[in-house]
Amino acid sequence: EAGVTQFPSHSVIEKGQTVTLRCDPISGHDNLYWYRRVMGKEIKFLLHFVKESKQDESGMPNNRFLAERTGGTYSTLKVQPAELEDSGVYFCASSQFWNTGELFFGEGSRLTVL
Amino acid sequence: GQQVMQIPQYQHVQEGEDFTTYCNSSTTLSNIQWYKQRPGGHPVFLIQLVKSGEVKKQKRLTFQFGEAKKNSSLHITATQTTDVGTYFCAGPGMRFGAGTRLTVKP
Repeated sequence: EAGVTQFPSHSVIEKGQTVTLRCDPISGHDNLYWYRRVMGKEIKFLLHFVKESKQDESGMPNNRFLAERTGGTYSTLKVQPAELEDSGVYFCASSQFWNTGELFFGEGSRLTVL
Repeated sequence: GQQVMQIPQYQHVQEGEDFTTYCNSSTTLSNIQWYKQRPGGHPVFLIQLVKSGEVKKQKRLTFQFGEAKKNSSLHITATQTTDVGTYFCAGPGMRFGAGTRLTVKP
């Protein structure tokens, strides 16, 4: 069974540019989460999808971030326009159940904004 | 989601010494999970605790959930260099604590 996959693994862009990160969860997992880890610090929650619906987007930092999960399968996280402080590793995770059970993480997408 | 606080932030031990990280919440938790992230890697699920006072063991790792379900701990006995990484707890809503970074000196 394929795990959670994320693309790209690394992206380097300049301030003001746009980047779109993609996450393919484990097949059948309705719950999909986005997190960001900056400079080896905390794993900061960004948002949670249940199927195609945003269950909780309270962690999204501002309106430069847009997450979608059309059709309830893969998800994208777009940052537009990117700022220096957006740099970090963006992790996607999926789970079968809501609020319980194992979260399966992808390898992460490292974003560097210059 | 329920916020969990984790201490200490860093822990450096000599190989063979024990290590403990603590996770605390101001509210009762329905469950708590523990994850490990190796340097350069991604978080990997270790365990979930659900019951009050629950204690679970995985080889040298012992996980506890407090009687009031407001705190939890992860204890590693006789650390090895393979234990290096950051250990995170996560509460309901899948909110993570700040993590405890463990380094082990051979």
